[in-house]
Amino acid sequence: SQTIHQWPATLVQPVGSPLSLECTVEGTSNPNLYWYRQAAGRGLQLLFYSVGIGQISSEVPQNLSASRPQDRQFILSSKKLLLSDSGFYLCAWSALANEQFFGPGTRLTVL
Amino acid sequence: GQQLNQSPQSMFIQEGEDVSMNCTSSSIFNTWLWYKQDPGEGPVLLIALYKAGELTSNGRLTAQFGITRKDSFLNISASIPSDVGIYFCAGLGSRLTFGEGTQLTVNP
Repeated sequence: SQTIHQWPATLVQPVGSPLSLECTVEGTSNPNLYWYRQAAGRGLQLLFYSVGIGQISSEVPQNLSASRPQDRQFILSSKKLLLSDSGFYLCAWSALANEQFFGPGTRLTVL
Repeated sequence: GQQLNQSPQSMFIQEGEDVSMNCTSSSIFNTWLWYKQDPGEGPVLLIALYKAGELTSNGRLTAQFGITRKDSFLNISASIPSDVGIYFCAGLGSRLTFGEGTQLTVNP
């Protein structure tokens, strides 16, 4: 069966510091991968998605970037965090453009 | 772009009551999905609907794919405290579009 992991689970970072969140998927090949941000426990905002290694699509202009160095690894990064980057970050995978399955999330607090 | 209107935004009910929430769209979707998110966790897929008119149950949960392919509803019968959470609908067309969620609170 497929599983999706995210780490760290929680992170507290000062403004201006760099960021690296990691997501890995097991039990499937060539998944589509997604990064979402959720503010205040409500709607899901799609940040990036990837259909293959090195292929990244950005949905909204922002202070973040994403990379996919391996088939089942998706990384969310920032060079300098802003207060507004605080939130709950969710990684998801899907087989082609079908149902998405979410990871446990990373709670990021920028102080 | 495609947008989903999910209602209600929040519900406060007593344990044992039935719950109904729905999503509507101006666009047609090929698949409707319903997720539940517990506090501090990622959303979990509850029910997937693939055909217009389809009615699917998962325990006390029942969801339907509207005949026009532009709407879906989720019912929860005999609610219990662990039903608390945020419920999201999602429509799959060219991409997956999420509703804004329904926050459910169940009072014992």
